[in-house]
Amino acid sequence: AQKITQTQPGMFVQEKEAVTLDCTYDTSDPSYGLFWYKQPSSGEMIFLIYQGSYDQQNATEGRYSLNFQKARKSANLVISASQLGDSAMYFCAMREGPGAGNMLTFGGGTRLMVKP
Amino acid sequence: EAGVVQSPRYKIIEKKQPVAFWCNPISGHNTLYWYRQNLGQGPELLIRYENEEAVDDSQLPKDRFSAERLKGVDSTLKIQPAELGDSAVYLCASSLDRPGSGTDTQYFGPGTRLTVL
Repeated sequence: AQKITQTQPGMFVQEKEAVTLDCTYDTSDPSYGLFWYKQPSSGEMIFLIYQGSYDQQNATEGRYSLNFQKARKSANLVISASQLGDSAMYFCAMREGPGAGNMLTFGGGTRLMVKP
Repeated sequence: EAGVVQSPRYKIIEKKQPVAFWCNPISGHNTLYWYRQNLGQGPELLIRYENEEAVDDSQLPKDRFSAERLKGVDSTLKIQPAELGDSAVYLCASSLDRPGSGTDTQYFGPGTRLTVL
């Protein structure tokens, strides 16, 4: 079974609008972390936001927020006020428990295209 | 602060040739990772180092791949001989792992895009 599932291969959003990128995960470990990375065409993976499984509040970083629904095992990324520079691949990743040695498991990614 | 540095950025070789990739992590980061990213997919871990020690290399194809991290800083990933299926982007990442910390964010370099002809 896939540990990280991103069901949207591609998404369009109008500039200045908000967009939600979906991510569901599968783990039986009570301690885990969820990450979102952005990968522009240049290839570098840019860290955006982190959510710990025990965090009580949804994580926010500037225009990025993480809609964490633990019971549904979802960790959707919300980008507000989209900009042209947000066009890129977005990857959701999970780190499972202290015993996992900080290994990240990535989803297949979502390509976001921002329209002017 | 300088990020993770990788070289070369691009490499084109013929099959059966050797190739090596170099990575310099963020200063002070004790953990270093090599990932492989096939086209249209997310990265997959090949090997993880804690300082000089390779602590997770279960996904590294050991018949042709090797890696080293001398002195616990720079690292080199080698493929010998390369096969057509090795064409991918090879990403290096580093993190500062602190006992009891849950975040330990991994920071990635720009990657090396390998094409095997």
